[in-house]
Amino acid sequence: SAVISQKPSRDICQRGTSLTIQCQVDSQVTMMFWYRQQPGQSLTLIATANQGSEATYESGFVIDKFPISRPNLTFSTLTVSNMSPEDSSIYLCSVYGAQNTGELFFGEGSRLTVL
Amino acid sequence: GDSVTQMEGPVTLSEEAFLTINCTYTATGYPSLFWYVQYPGEGLQLLLKATKADDKGSNKGFEATYRKETTSFHLEKGSVQVSDSAVYFCALSDQLGNQFYFGTGTSLTVIP
Repeated sequence: SAVISQKPSRDICQRGTSLTIQCQVDSQVTMMFWYRQQPGQSLTLIATANQGSEATYESGFVIDKFPISRPNLTFSTLTVSNMSPEDSSIYLCSVYGAQNTGELFFGEGSRLTVL
Repeated sequence: GDSVTQMEGPVTLSEEAFLTINCTYTATGYPSLFWYVQYPGEGLQLLLKATKADDKGSNKGFEATYRKETTSFHLEKGSVQVSDSAVYFCALSDQLGNQFYFGTGTSLTVIP
């Protein structure tokens, strides 16, 4: 398994500001995934963060809006830039377990509300 | 491409009722199948999984069987409790384990 800590757990932000979400994993992992869950919706993959290289973004997501850092094998950050109310979502960090048994493990999520 | 389709919600049941949440999938090859649960205000937790045809995943009284002939992975529980109130997501990992696909989620509310 993997234990994932995310900060902040929730925040209320003003339009036009940016917020950085931190994700800490209790073991070294190659890939870390960032998902967005809009209200009442399923999960959408934003990007995959590999240590030592640029993140790989999914269609519809761009680095300018969602810059990601991956400084080491246990930590990543996602920044939501120039926020608008449409960015109000839960943002989830996810990794595969160290045993590589195929399932994803998730942090508790960061619930952002943009006014 | 690969995809997962699950039963629309919300679902409201009385305590001790039988639960079925339908999930069907489209995939090439032999994907792995999962059910995740999201309790209010929390992230997703793995509930159960199955990695090959005819496998049955089970946990906390929930079960799901990987049916390749019907491309289904329906979630069942014989007697639900109030504490089972949550959103349930069916998910698929492709054969290479490179991509995860999530269903839209089914909200379950169990009333006493």
